[in-house]
Amino acid sequence: NAGVTQTPKFRVLKTGQSMTLLCAQDMNHEYMYWYRQDPGMGLRLIHYSVGEGTTAKGEVPDGYNVSRLKKQNFLLGLESAAPSQTSVYFCASMSSGGATGELFFGEGSRLTVL
Amino acid sequence: ELKVEQNPLFLSMQEGKNYTIYCNYSTTSDRLYWYRQDPGKSLESLFVLLSNGAVKQEGRLMASLDTKARLSTLHITAAVHDLSATYFCAVLGFKTIFGAGTRLFVKA
Repeated sequence: NAGVTQTPKFRVLKTGQSMTLLCAQDMNHEYMYWYRQDPGMGLRLIHYSVGEGTTAKGEVPDGYNVSRLKKQNFLLGLESAAPSQTSVYFCASMSSGGATGELFFGEGSRLTVL
Repeated sequence: ELKVEQNPLFLSMQEGKNYTIYCNYSTTSDRLYWYRQDPGKSLESLFVLLSNGAVKQEGRLMASLDTKARLSTLHITAAVHDLSATYFCAVLGFKTIFGAGTRLFVKA
């Protein structure tokens, strides 16, 4: 019962470096989301996808790119990391149908940009 | 644009007391979530409220939804220390938007 898996769980980058966070879900969910959480704050939506091959901007999309080439995977990329992107990143997925429409979360990926 | 506001943002309460957390949202939605987050952990689903007038209870927590008022409440009955955590509400649209969270501390 893997659910939503995020890799890596921890990463330290230098300013200007690039990296990709991978989110994988095994529940055949259509909707997938990337959020960031800063200390003492709620979750802010970065990008989301409502199906394979589709992506859309959330509340704070600048500095990030995403791709959804396969239904089960949602990638979040930082092309040139900045200290302001130090945060905990959460991926979530949800079925578009079903009775509950519950949002399932990964364990989070802690990113530090020096 | 959907906005979700929670209050209070911080709540310190004594064990055994009752209190309510409020979640207001700005646009029509018939699906609202409540989550709990412990420090350094991911989010744990508490309730999914799917229609106007929905009420759900689990232990000392009860959540309700009034879609006409665009308001959900999370009521805590006879608080215990184990309920100390941060509680988030979130409203589903194409984007699921979260409130800022309520940090609850229950003093023994």
